[in-house]
Amino acid sequence: DAGVTQSPTHLIKTRGQQVTLRCSPKSGHDTVSWYQQALGQGPQFIFQYYEEEERQRGNFPDRFSGHQFPNYSSELNVNALLLGDSALYLCASSLGWGPETQYFGPGTRLLVL
Amino acid sequence: GESVGLHLPTLSVQEGDNSIINCAYSNSASDYFIWYKQESGKGPQFIIDIRSNMDKRQGQRVTVLLNKTVKHLSLQIAATQPGDSAVYFCAERGGDYKLSFGAGTTVTVRA
Repeated sequence: DAGVTQSPTHLIKTRGQQVTLRCSPKSGHDTVSWYQQALGQGPQFIFQYYEEEERQRGNFPDRFSGHQFPNYSSELNVNALLLGDSALYLCASSLGWGPETQYFGPGTRLLVL
Repeated sequence: GESVGLHLPTLSVQEGDNSIINCAYSNSASDYFIWYKQESGKGPQFIIDIRSNMDKRQGQRVTVLLNKTVKHLSLQIAATQPGDSAVYFCAERGGDYKLSFGAGTTVTVRA
């Protein structure tokens, strides 16, 4: 039973560029949430996707967007990267929307130079 | 805004002793609380959860206590082992169903 997987594991970009991160949920899960975790901090909720729609959104600008596919996998897109976007981006999956027992992936470490 | 926070950023404990990690929350509308463990280079791992209609829940070597009167949550780890060294986060689900995390407590187990 595969857990949550994310790709890539590490990524280096420069300011102004765009990035796409990918997530495959745990088998049987239909909801994907994305979090940003700055160094030494707890994860901050970005948004949640269920039935291919954004259901909830945290306090993040429109530069952060996402998508969920029919197979429940998801992408996180960040445009016009800033130095402050450097962080660990975590994907979590669950069954049904609302964060019932979310299972997290290993994350993608993004460095913006 | 309202947020979840932890009392202490670090905790050092002797192997075999019991650990207690504390968390204060401020959102009285929160109805569900979760403890996560995050090891270096990994994503958070679910440990145990508790709903607001309960005040105690036990798992394998772990116990979560919820005191809604003072908005306090704690995680007790029995017979702490070296593998318990990690950052521990409490998280709450508010009335909007969004999950909010505290800053975390780093637990170091001394041999």
